[in-house]
Amino acid sequence: GAGVSQTPSNKVTEKGKYVELRCDPISGHTALYWYRQSLGQGPEFLIYFQGTGAADDSGLPNDRFFAVRPEGSVSTLKIQRTERGDSAVYLCASSRSSAGGYTFGSGTRLTVV
Amino acid sequence: DQQVKQNSPSLSVQEGRISILNCDYTNSMFDYFLWYKKYPAEGPTFLISISSIKDKNEDGRFTVFLNKSAKHLSLHIVPSQPGDSAVYFCAASGETSYDKVIFGPGTSLSVIP
Repeated sequence: GAGVSQTPSNKVTEKGKYVELRCDPISGHTALYWYRQSLGQGPEFLIYFQGTGAADDSGLPNDRFFAVRPEGSVSTLKIQRTERGDSAVYLCASSRSSAGGYTFGSGTRLTVV
Repeated sequence: DQQVKQNSPSLSVQEGRISILNCDYTNSMFDYFLWYKKYPAEGPTFLISISSIKDKNEDGRFTVFLNKSAKHLSLHIVPSQPGDSAVYFCAASGETSYDKVIFGPGTSLSVIP
C-alpha cells in the first residue's frame, strides 16, 4: 500500500490478557520501528527491525513485550499479561533510511481496563 | 532522563506571523535532527531535517536552525497558516542512517486566524 498500515486502530482489553498489534510497512522499506506514545509525551522507542532481525530492542520495557517480523515485511508487537500502564498509542514506522525521516502509521490505541 | 527537550508545551501565533519552536538536546553524539508534525488521530509526519554539519536548512515556509555549541535547534515557520496548527516534535538520531530516533515531548502550535 501507499502508507504504513496498523491494525486494529483501537483495542480495548482486560488487564492480564494477551494482545497482538499488527504493522504493514511501506513495500520495499527494510527498516521497521515500533514506538509507544503516552498522553502528553513524544513517541518512545521500543524496537527496530532491519529485515527480519531485531537490530535494537533496547526500548522494550520488560519481557512481557515481544515483536516479530518473520518475513521482513509485516511485523507484530505482542504484549503478554497486559497492565493498565500499557495503555498508550502504539506507533509503527518504516524507512529506507532515517535521512529522510520515518513514515509513521496512524497507530493502534490500546486501552487496558 | 530526557535527551531531547521542548520546554514550551504550547504556543499561539497570529496567522501571517512567524512561529518559532525551540528544542534543546543533551547528547553530543546526536548527528541528525528532525522535526515531525502531528495532527490528532494521525501518526507523526516528517517535516524537515538537518545534519550536524550544517547550521541551517530551508524548505519553503519551514527553516530549521542548528546551534551545535549550544545544543539547540529551532524551527521557524513563516508565514504561519491556520493549517499549521498541530503538535510539533523535535527529534534526534545518531551517526548511522538507521539509528533509532529520540523524540522530544512536543509543542502544540495554534495559529489563530
